[in-house]
Amino acid sequence: DAGVIQSPRHEVTEMGQEVTLRCKPISGHDYLFWYRQTMMRGLELLIYFNNNVPIDDSGMPEDRFSAKMPNASFSTLKIQPSEPRDSAVYFCASSFGTGVSPLHFGNGTRLTVT
Amino acid sequence: EDKVVQSPLSLVVHEGDTVTLNCSYEVTNFRSLLWYKQEKKAPTFLFMLTSSGIEKKSGRLSSILDKKELFSILNITATQTGDSAVYLCAVFGYKYIFGTGTRLKVLA
Repeated sequence: DAGVIQSPRHEVTEMGQEVTLRCKPISGHDYLFWYRQTMMRGLELLIYFNNNVPIDDSGMPEDRFSAKMPNASFSTLKIQPSEPRDSAVYFCASSFGTGVSPLHFGNGTRLTVT
Repeated sequence: EDKVVQSPLSLVVHEGDTVTLNCSYEVTNFRSLLWYKQEKKAPTFLFMLTSSGIEKKSGRLSSILDKKELFSILNITATQTGDSAVYLCAVFGYKYIFGTGTRLKVLA
């Protein structure tokens, strides 16, 4: 079991640039979640998918953020244009079902926007 | 609005001490409560609790849920420096909501 795989591990970019974060969930998991973690706000749910379909994107901060899941093994989170306040660690997590099985997290992408 | 509140925010103890971490919640359509340990990187799963009064145990860690009073506790006995981490509580109603965590530091 390879676990949830995220890339890149670190991203440093300048304000205004486009940033794309990538995630490969655990094979067989039907739910995928994107979280953002900061010291001030902890882990915040941005969006989650079930069987590749977005179910709840109410946590996406604004139109600069978008997420896609074109197939069961790949998802992206895009920020365009990026701003310094987007600096955080972004985690992807997957699960088989919800509420009855745990979330499995990737190692995260640390994003720094200067 | 669903919420999860953890206490204390931080805790410093000495090796060998016993600690109790608290998690209270308000959530619609409660289904489960989960505990995670986060060191430098990704949160790692510890326990999932769905029924009141049934203790989950793994080595020196144990946890129990009270669905009537809407809280859970995580106990760590005979703490070790390797237990130093942030402990996160999450609750699932219609989605997973995380508390801000308890930062535990165990001194040698």
